Amino acid sequence: EAQVTQNPRYLITVTGKKLTVTCSQNMNHEYMSWYRQDPGLGLRQIYYSMNVEVTDKGDVPEGYKVSRKEKRNFPLILESPSPNQTSLYFCASSLSAGKAGELFFGEGSRLTVL
Amino acid sequence: QKEVEQDPGPLSVPEGAIVSLNCTYSNSAFQYFMWYRQYSRKGPELLMYTYSSGNKEDGRFTAQVDKSSKYISLFIRDSQPSDSATYLCAMSPVSSASKIIFGSGTRLSIRP
Repeated sequence: EAQVTQNPRYLITVTGKKLTVTCSQNMNHEYMSWYRQDPGLGLRQIYYSMNVEVTDKGDVPEGYKVSRKEKRNFPLILESPSPNQTSLYFCASSLSAGKAGELFFGEGSRLTVL
Repeated sequence: QKEVEQDPGPLSVPEGAIVSLNCTYSNSAFQYFMWYRQYSRKGPELLMYTYSSGNKEDGRFTAQVDKSSKYISLFIRDSQPSDSATYLCAMSPVSSASKIIFGSGTRLSIRP
């Protein structure tokens, strides 16, 4: 089954404790991205990757890191989480960066930072 | 002012009704328009995708774009309880996944 898999789905952590949210897709997609979803603000892009070893900042990159060492994986790293990073996070992928709109989303990772 | 505005709802209609969901936008460069559906505790899924102005129909769903008014709509005919979800509009100035701007979503509830 074609899918984007995120882990963990739910996480409660404390300020300053480094964490990684993993994202993996099995569709051989070139493009991957991370979004956060907050009430009233919608989906906002954190980072994206056009292909392996190519990443770029989205609209809200502060406090996050990413890497793309393999085509299928695109982990999101919070080096020192803060309460304002409490949010619902989505990983998405697309066959190529040129396919506007054809994003496939994971089921989301709800993060709470205390 | 946000680039894309969407009424958050909630919108509650009886089963079988015609539903109209709308978004307005400020950036006249937007050319690609999308509607995503998001069920509770799930990720968004692409519902409709249109380029430039005009209408596009897919089953019970019709997407309409009016670039002169900077206004897009999604119509759902013969609405079903399974249509209950949050609907996100999205748009992009170019055919690039990295440039998509999302609306904040309208929560829709269809009453049996």
